[in-house]
Amino acid sequence: GQNIDQPTEMTATEGAIVQINCTYQTSGFNGLFWYQQHAGEAPTFLSYNVLDGLEEKGRFSSFLSRSKGYSYLLLKELQMKDSASYLCAVRPSGGYQKVTFGIGTKLQVIP
Amino acid sequence: EAQVTQNPRYLITVTGKKLTVTCSQNMNHEYMSWYRQDPGLGLRQIYYSMNVEVTDKGDVPEGYKVSRKEKRNFPLILESPSPNQTSLYFCASSASYTGLDYYGYTFGSGTRLTVV
Repeated sequence: GQNIDQPTEMTATEGAIVQINCTYQTSGFNGLFWYQQHAGEAPTFLSYNVLDGLEEKGRFSSFLSRSKGYSYLLLKELQMKDSASYLCAVRPSGGYQKVTFGIGTKLQVIP
Repeated sequence: EAQVTQNPRYLITVTGKKLTVTCSQNMNHEYMSWYRQDPGLGLRQIYYSMNVEVTDKGDVPEGYKVSRKEKRNFPLILESPSPNQTSLYFCASSASYTGLDYYGYTFGSGTRLTVV
């Protein structure tokens, strides 16, 4: 089975940097997703990490440590539109389609 | 436009009345999946399909059925809906490619189902 933990809520200031952490325990691991979900909308893909290290995509970066079962999503130069839930999800080895999602971290960006 | 289309967006029904939520994708994706999303529980996988006529249970399959007769369609069937199936449902699809530039699931807009 898989267990994914991430903070329930976070608040950050417009223009600042915020780091959203995700820890996981899994019997087999292929990769880790981050998705963004605005209230009432569908999740949208942000990143997929397979190898250890940091991957940067514009204002968003995602880090993975496979040995520690740990990932984080880093959001820079926060904008009001970044207020959303951020979902961490794990893709297991073997059963590629049994992707398990964490509960999500609701981020509120304040002026 | 590449997309996953779910219908209906909203549905209110009564206990025991069979219903089908449709899902169609135009990206020629092999993989399709259904999730439900509930407050405090996150997205939980109901069923998934790796290709035509190949389906398997996710974490919460009880009370649901699926079929994959065509690559583009993956309907979710509730034979006898109950109030505990009131939820927000998402269909999703992805390519089978699993390389480092894999871009994960594309989700439909969601179906908000209320069973009274």
